[in-house]
Amino acid sequence: LAKTTQPISMDSYEGQEVNITCSHNNIATNDYITWYQQFPSQGPRFIIQGYKTKVTNEVASLFIPADRKSSTLSLPRVSLSDTAVYYCLVRNTGGFKTIFGAGTRLFVKA
Amino acid sequence: GAVVSQHPSWVICKSGTSVKIECRSLDFQATTMFWYRQFPKQSLMLMATSNEGSKATYEQGVEKDKFLINHASLTLSTLTVTSAHPEDSSFYICSASGDREANEKLFFGSGTQLSVL
Repeated sequence: LAKTTQPISMDSYEGQEVNITCSHNNIATNDYITWYQQFPSQGPRFIIQGYKTKVTNEVASLFIPADRKSSTLSLPRVSLSDTAVYYCLVRNTGGFKTIFGAGTRLFVKA
Repeated sequence: GAVVSQHPSWVICKSGTSVKIECRSLDFQATTMFWYRQFPKQSLMLMATSNEGSKATYEQGVEKDKFLINHASLTLSTLTVTSAHPEDSSFYICSASGDREANEKLFFGSGTQLSVL
């Protein structure tokens, strides 16, 4: 199982771009990288998923270098409502269990 | 996107009673479902993995006789906390995946807050 390491917490201000990096040195060939957002007392919400290079959707971008041993979630122009915990997960299918790391607590200030 | 429905959202029960939590995949067939518990300001801790039609695989330290998991169909998994005690009070979250393709996403329920008095 690929273990993930993220910064425990980050602070930002409204309107700034936030980049959260996750290390997953033992990622396997078949693993995908997925980021989730969690608010208190809610289940994690899917943000973005990728395998290599760059993926972009309406809320975020995901940058994955060639060796895939890390990934960076980029949130453009954060707002107060982006204050949450962000988790990066590395997994593939086949019923393999999915383990959460500690996550990154992002606090966006006005 | 795919929807996973978890019910109830919160439950309060007396010590010694059993509580059942349901997890349904509403628009896809969930080959695999995971159950997690989460304590305040902590990450999600995997309790067990269940595949449709087979027995669940429990993580080390999780009592299978206390946390009964049934994954009887491709759209429904249940977690029953038997003889609940105050230390079982926690936030329980289920997740589901079709697992047909390597990049299939994992979707989560909204969670169940269990308070045992």
